Amino acid sequence: NAGVTQTPKFRVLKTGQSMTLLCAQDMNHEYMYWYRQDPGMGLRLIHYSVGEGTTAKGEVPDGYNVSRLKKQNFLLGLESAAPSQTSVYFCASSYTGINTEAFFGQGTRLTVV
Amino acid sequence: RKEVEQDPGPFNVPEGATVAFNCTYSNSASQSFFWYRQDCRKEPKLLMSVYSSGNEDGRFTAQLNRASQYISLLIRDSKLSDSATYLCVVNMNTNAGKSTFGDGTTLTVKP
Repeated sequence: NAGVTQTPKFRVLKTGQSMTLLCAQDMNHEYMYWYRQDPGMGLRLIHYSVGEGTTAKGEVPDGYNVSRLKKQNFLLGLESAAPSQTSVYFCASSYTGINTEAFFGQGTRLTVV
Repeated sequence: RKEVEQDPGPFNVPEGATVAFNCTYSNSASQSFFWYRQDCRKEPKLLMSVYSSGNEDGRFTAQLNRASQYISLLIRDSKLSDSATYLCVVNMNTNAGKSTFGDGTTLTVKP
């Protein structure tokens, strides 16, 4: 039971570098989400997707882009990393967006120096 | 004012104690409510949904008060393994991505 898998689990970037975080789910869920969590804070929604080929902005989308070319994958891109993007990133998926449990990946710890 | 507010704690209680957390939400159109548990440096996991009539799962009881716009989580007979951060989550059903998380309440259960 893989559930939701995120890669990589850890990464250190230099300011201005780019990278892509990959999220894969094997539960055939329609909805997928990217969150960031900063120390002592809750999760803030970056972008989300309600189905293959769709994406939408969340609460804190600036500096990030996403793509959902395949139903099982949701990619989060940082085009030009900044120290303010140092955070733990969680991907989640759910069957629908209403009244259903969200399953989370194990997180990606990103440090931008 | 934050959309979802929780007392950050920390709550430090002895084993066997009863502890209660509250969470308030600002949007009266909110439709579904959840408690998630997050262990240190791990991903959040669903603890329980919160229903209008209140619901219980073993030592855990969740209640919703729509008039006052708060939800609560009661843990009875606390165990060491209950030590974690508890996240309150509020959804607006009209927007698939609109799950708003509280900042969490940290519980430490001590021997």
